[in-house]
Amino acid sequence: KQEVTQIPAALSVPEGENLVLNCSFTDSAIYNLQWFRQDPGKGLTSLLLIQSSQREQTSGRLNASLDKSSGRSTLYIAASQPGDSATYLCAVRVSNTGKLIFGQGTTLQVKP
Amino acid sequence: DVKVTQSSRYLVKRTGEKVFLECVQDMDHENMFWYRQDPGLGLRLIYFSYDVKMKEKGDIPEGYSVSREKKERFSLILESASTNQTSMYLCASSPTLARPYEQYFGPGTRLTVT
Repeated sequence: KQEVTQIPAALSVPEGENLVLNCSFTDSAIYNLQWFRQDPGKGLTSLLLIQSSQREQTSGRLNASLDKSSGRSTLYIAASQPGDSATYLCAVRVSNTGKLIFGQGTTLQVKP
Repeated sequence: DVKVTQSSRYLVKRTGEKVFLECVQDMDHENMFWYRQDPGLGLRLIYFSYDVKMKEKGDIPEGYSVSREKKERFSLILESASTNQTSMYLCASSPTLARPYEQYFGPGTRLTVT
C-alpha cells in the first residue's frame, strides 16, 4: 500500500532563507507527483507537477525534484518570503484515474 | 483556467439531516473526487468518479454516497449527518487522456454538524 510521508511537519525560517521540504513515498510505481499549497481554511492550489519520467520542474522561486528509485521528492523554495507561509502538501498519483495519495503536509512559517 | 466550484463555503447542519455538497468543474474532466480533510489525518479520499454515472469507493466511503449524472457535476451526499462528519470537504477534478494530468481543487466546504 502506497504511503506518503512529509518531514518536517512544521518549519519556521527567517525571511530570505532558501529551504527544502521533503516528501517520501513507499512504492515507486507512480504516474506523477504533485506539490500543492494550502492557505488556512482554503482549498489546495497546485504548484508543480512532475511526471514519472521527469527529474525536476521549476516555477519561479520553486523547484521540485523527483527520484523515483529512492522514493523521494523535494520542494526547494528560494529566497523565502512571508507570503510563502502556508501548508505544503505532496501527493502521488497511483492510477490512470488520477487517484492521489497525500502526505500530511509541512506547515511553513516565514518570519519577516 | 480550470475552475472547480463548490456550492457552499460554510455549512451548518443538524444531526440526522440529509446533506448535499455540490461540485462543478468547467474543463470537461473525466475524473472527479471528493476528499475530507481533518487535522492530524490529512486528506482522505471518500469517493471518486471516472465517468458519468460511474463511481468508485475511496478510503472512507462509509456514511456517504455520490451522484454523477452529468460530466461537470459531482455531488456528495450525507444520508444522515453525524457529528463525526464535521470536516472540511474538498472536491477535485482531473483529466484522464490529456497531459499533464494535474488534479485541480475547489475552495472547500467547511461542514459543521451539531
